[in-house]
Amino acid sequence: QVQLIQSGAEVKKPGASVKVSCKASGYTFVDYFMHWVRQAPGQGLEWMGRIKINGGGTNSAQKFQGRVTMTRDTSISTAYMELSRLTSDDTAVYYCVRDGGYYDLDYWGQGTLVTVSS
Amino acid sequence: DVVMTQSPLSLPVTLGQPASISCRSSQSLVHSDGNTYLSWFQQRPGQSPRRLIYKVSNRDSGVPDRFSGSGSGPDFTLEISRVEAEDVGVYYCMQGTHWPWTFGQGTKVEVK
Repeated sequence: QVQLIQSGAEVKKPGASVKVSCKASGYTFVDYFMHWVRQAPGQGLEWMGRIKINGGGTNSAQKFQGRVTMTRDTSISTAYMELSRLTSDDTAVYYCVRDGGYYDLDYWGQGTLVTVSS
Repeated sequence: DVVMTQSPLSLPVTLGQPASISCRSSQSLVHSDGNTYLSWFQQRPGQSPRRLIYKVSNRDSGVPDRFSGSGSGPDFTLEISRVEAEDVGVYYCMQGTHWPWTFGQGTKVEVK
């Protein structure tokens, strides 16, 4: 079965960077895009961007351009999302999500809580 | 960006009764390939979201047939024919036709 296992919770200071990992199993990693979606406490869902695992090309929402870096290591079936210049507004649960094949999303990771606090 | 507007934002329901959630897009969601990429997700308390419906009306495997999606733009609907206790949570629509992909604000379904 498809599983996406994310790294643990992080606490960062404003101005720092955070890197979240997402290890995939149960499918052919290189055959699907991986997306990143975040959810601030008590709020809705926000699509951040995606990476084409086979090749590494990325697309991201304009508000994150210049701050988000999405990468992958196909040898260990793991995708990464790094967000820099953190502010308190970046406090959220970050999800990796597999592309669903119909311009949507299917399998979700368990989420990684990133807390930005001085 | 395409704005997805859901209503209502809170939906108290009686178990066994039907429920309906609306989602309106600020632009046409018909893709250049002719398809409409509108999905629905369920997020139970404390859990990650789960896809229920893709391409407006296609139900994911394992999703009970009491869930159905419809619409042709700009208005889309998720219906639950008979609400069960396990259906409590927040429901989101999402469009994948235009970049960036955008979600509705979410509709919280709770038992009366």
